[in-house]
Amino acid sequence: GQNIDQPTEMTATEGAIVQINCTYQTSGFNGLFWYQQHAGEAPTFLSYNVLDGLEEKGRFSSFLSRSKGYSYLLLKELQMKDSASYLCAVRDYKLSFGAGTTVTVRA
Amino acid sequence: DAEITQSPRHKITETGRQVTLACHQTWNHNNMFWYRQDLGHGLRLIHYSYGVQDTNKGEVSDGYSVSRSNTEDLPLTLESAASSQTSVYFCASSRSRDLTDTQYFGPGTRLTVL
Repeated sequence: GQNIDQPTEMTATEGAIVQINCTYQTSGFNGLFWYQQHAGEAPTFLSYNVLDGLEEKGRFSSFLSRSKGYSYLLLKELQMKDSASYLCAVRDYKLSFGAGTTVTVRA
Repeated sequence: DAEITQSPRHKITETGRQVTLACHQTWNHNNMFWYRQDLGHGLRLIHYSYGVQDTNKGEVSDGYSVSRSNTEDLPLTLESAASSQTSVYFCASSRSRDLTDTQYFGPGTRLTVL
């Protein structure tokens, strides 16, 4: 089975940096995904890591350490539109999701 | 543009009624999935399909069924709706059985069972 943990809520100021951690325990591993979900909307794909290290996509970066069962999503130069829930998901033969981290960006 | 749609977007029903939620994708994806999302639980997999005539149970499949008669559609049926099935339901699809393939989500259906 899967056990995926991430913080429930985080608050940050516009222009700042926020790091969302995700720890997991899984019976198998075929990659870790991050999704963004605005209130009342569908999750949208942000990033995918299958090898250890940092993947950078503009203002968003995602890091993976398979030996530690750990990932983080880094959001830089925060904007008001980044206020959303961020879902960590781990794949073995299927995709399992954490409960999500709600990020609130304040002016 | 190719897309994934769900209908209805909102549904209110009564306990014991049969309800069917529609999911339609135009990407020609082989894989389709149904999830439910509840506060504190994240997204949980109900059923999934790897192709026409293929269906599989997920982690919370009791009380739900699916059928896959063509590539584009995977309807989700609640045989006898219960209040515990009040939730937001998301359909998703991915191109192939490659485990690295990204899943793309529909807009969701908010179901209330009274």
